[in-house]
Amino acid sequence: KQEVTQIPAALSVPEGENLVLNCSFTDSAIYNLQWFRQDPGKGLTSLLLIQSSQREQTSGRLNASLDKSSGRSTLYIAASQPGDSATYLCALPGAGSYQLTFGKGTKLSVIP
Amino acid sequence: GAGVSQSPSNKVTEKGKDVELRCDPISGHTALYWYRQSLGQGLEFLIYFQGNSAPDKSGLPSDRFSAERTGGSVSTLTIQRTQQEDSAVYLCASSLKALDNQPQHFGDGTRLSIL
Repeated sequence: KQEVTQIPAALSVPEGENLVLNCSFTDSAIYNLQWFRQDPGKGLTSLLLIQSSQREQTSGRLNASLDKSSGRSTLYIAASQPGDSATYLCALPGAGSYQLTFGKGTKLSVIP
Repeated sequence: GAGVSQSPSNKVTEKGKDVELRCDPISGHTALYWYRQSLGQGLEFLIYFQGNSAPDKSGLPSDRFSAERTGGSVSTLTIQRTQQEDSAVYLCASSLKALDNQPQHFGDGTRLSIL
């Protein structure tokens, strides 16, 4: 059974800093990995999806990497802004599965 | 609408009552998923629909939970004889097609509180 861990559970940084959020998973036979953000009281917003054959994906100030062999993904946020404050979740389906297994998320606070 | 729409956004009901939660997926998306987000458990998969195929109900926690999807579009999640442990945010997601490296897009959820 796939298990997904996100460390740290919470992170507070001053505005302008670059930061890295970590996601690790136990079963490397994955189809893809998706990063989401969740604002309080809201649903999940899809940020990036990395296919299993890819090493990284970029969107604006966000860069997600994937290392299947070590069971890790990172989400890099450049030049953080207060509007980046949210909970960031990683999720992945197992091979041949569409059910997403989620980590418990990292709650990010960017201090002005 | 452009995104996944869920209603109601909040629901408060007494223990033992039945509730119905509605999800309207993104137009053209054939795959629809229900998840539950509770404080101690994080996000858990409940049920999945793909086109006209039989749904995958493997994540439903008990036989009090059921879901249907009419006409391949709108879905309703029904919880019968609600219990306090059913209190959670119920999230619906849709994607163009499952197992096709398409991202799942989520609605804002229904926050269910059982008194």
